[in-house]
This record gives sequence, C-alpha cells and structure tokens, in this order.
Amino acid sequence: DSGVTQTPKHLITATGQRVTLRCSPRSGDLSVYWYQQSLDQGLQFLIQYYNGEERAKGNILERFSAQQFPDLHSELNLSSLELGDSALYFCASSVDKEGRFVGYTFGSGTRLTVV
Amino acid sequence: AQSVTQLDSHVSVSEGTPVLLRCNYSSSYSPSLFWYVQHPNKGLQLLLKYTSAATLVKGINGFEAEFKKSETSFHLTKPSAHMSDAAEYFCVVSVPYSGAGSYQLTFGKGTKLSVIP
Repeated sequence: DSGVTQTPKHLITATGQRVTLRCSPRSGDLSVYWYQQSLDQGLQFLIQYYNGEERAKGNILERFSAQQFPDLHSELNLSSLELGDSALYFCASSVDKEGRFVGYTFGSGTRLTVV
Repeated sequence: AQSVTQLDSHVSVSEGTPVLLRCNYSSSYSPSLFWYVQHPNKGLQLLLKYTSAATLVKGINGFEAEFKKSETSFHLTKPSAHMSDAAEYFCVVSVPYSGAGSYQLTFGKGTKLSVIP
C-alpha cells in the first residue's frame, strides 16, 4: 500500500456519460497530480493541485475537470465520455506539510473503460 | 524545458544476467531523477530517486542507478535479473515549477523488460 488511495479501481461506463475518480493523497502530502496512461499516448500529465489550488495544467481536455478539497482529497471529473478516454488514470502525491520535497507516491490507478 | 529519453523501448535478458536500462535527460535546472516500475495492470512503484545527494543511488529489489551529470545520464542497473523483474520501467525527471510545492514531472516513454528463464 503506497498510502495514496484511488477509487474506484475499475470503472466501465457508456459513451456520453460522466464519471468521478477520487484520490486521497498520502498523509502529510499537499500536492496531488493526475495522470492518464493509455497505450498510444503513454503517461500524460493532466493537472496538479497544491493545498486546494490549481498549480499546473497539462494535456487536460475541456471535458475534464478536477478539484482538491479542504481535506486534501481530489476528484477528477470526466464528462461526455468518448471511447478514446478509456485509460488508466493515476494520481500521485508529493510534498509534506513542512514543504520538504519527499518525492512522488502513486496510487494504483483507476482503469476506465468506455463502451 | 526538460526531456527524458529512454534509449530502448524493449530490453530482453536471461534470468541471472545483468540488467541495464538506459536513460538520458536534459534540464535547465538541477533535476531530481527517479525510476519507477510498473507491473502489468498495476500502479507505478518508486524504485529509487536521486535528489542531489550521492550520485550512486541504491533502490529496492537490488536495483541501482548512477547519476552522471557530464553525460546527462541516469541508467538503471541490476547485477542479476529475476523473473519477477519483468515489467515496464519509467525514468522521470522533476524540476521545481511556479511556486512552492510544485514540481513538473517529465516521463520517459518507458522500457519494457523481459526476463527469459
């Protein structure tokens, strides 16, 4: 157990639907990063939150959004789903409360299948 | 800007022989460097990290990597491959990014390691 918890582990949904993926960072970590891993694109950075604020945006589609809550857990919302959104979605956390860099810890991912 | 190049997309070794997975990076800053491993249908697991301390870094499961600034390399090695090492390996470079607590990660495309019995 890495300490980063992602739920659900597997998700199957139909095109056009909306889903929410959840991530709880490791205790003490303030940053949450979301990544998408697909066979053709590899690992793609989507977005980062630090202590509730958006800090960096990567290749995140407009149909996707995220937020980080006061308890530091984060949710990634994917809407109007398309077949091509099928992928493994990872979250990672880093940085403890004193601001020291402690490296990244990844969750085990949510496998999304859009049918 | 930074980039990571994993020089081999696929490496195949016999069980008990040495493993070498190559990674070159470029960065405008002094980077932190990581190797992650991903077993099939599993998440990413940290193998080892370099964060400007000793240049030879020892990780889990007998892996180690050496940071060579002059060669901009961070190759991953293991003296003797085990069947359980078969997985995909990612080299990652991290640099500070816009404000406290932010780090920009750049992933290599991955190297798939096969171990032949």
